[in-house]
Amino acid sequence: QSVLTQPPSVSAAPGQKVTISCSENSSNIGNNYVSWYQQLPGTAPKLLIYDNNKRPSGIPDRFSGSKSGTSATLGITGLQTGDEADYYCETWDSSLSTVIFGGGTKLTVL
Amino acid sequence: QVKLQESGPGLVKPSETLSLTCTVSGGSISSYYWSWIRQPPGKGLEYIGYSYYSGSTNYNPSLKSRVTISVDTSKNQFSLKLSSVTAADTAVYYCARSGSYRGNFDYWGQGTLVTVSS
Repeated sequence: QSVLTQPPSVSAAPGQKVTISCSENSSNIGNNYVSWYQQLPGTAPKLLIYDNNKRPSGIPDRFSGSKSGTSATLGITGLQTGDEADYYCETWDSSLSTVIFGGGTKLTVL
Repeated sequence: QVKLQESGPGLVKPSETLSLTCTVSGGSISSYYWSWIRQPPGKGLEYIGYSYYSGSTNYNPSLKSRVTISVDTSKNQFSLKLSSVTAADTAVYYCARSGSYRGNFDYWGQGTLVTVSS
């Protein structure tokens, strides 16, 4: 079964840039779209990036997504304290025919 | 603005069936995929499955034997039934909408905590 691996935590100072990786040991990321979600404490996840690099309406361009091979990356520039949250990647597992999520990454803005 | 709202019992006994309903407002339930996703306390997200508005379904293989998801277009609602629950099924359950069966959930409910305990 494919596993989407994310770093458990990342941190950076306000105003800086951070990247969060999402990698796997299979070809699901390479063959399917990747989405990213932001989950603020005590709230439901919110779609940040879809189709690898597209932003829904209302999502600032400080958030970006990219994909290469079996990895995807979420980038956040101009970090704000309000960006402190858990971030999840998601894609389709073609072998199991189901959606899979990464384990999540906790972002701390120091 | 589309809004999703989960409802159902917050406490279920072991071996019983967990039943939740998601009410969709501000938009039609037609032409979308309607999913359930859960999150055990302090842990990550787990996909449960979806029902398309037409009634076709797809479930996470790890839960498939215990899950039923259905849509009621007349009420703009969809529901989740999870049978033979154990403490491991304790989680916040979210309902969500996607335009594709492959994920990309653009609207989510606020989530409801279901605890499995006697």
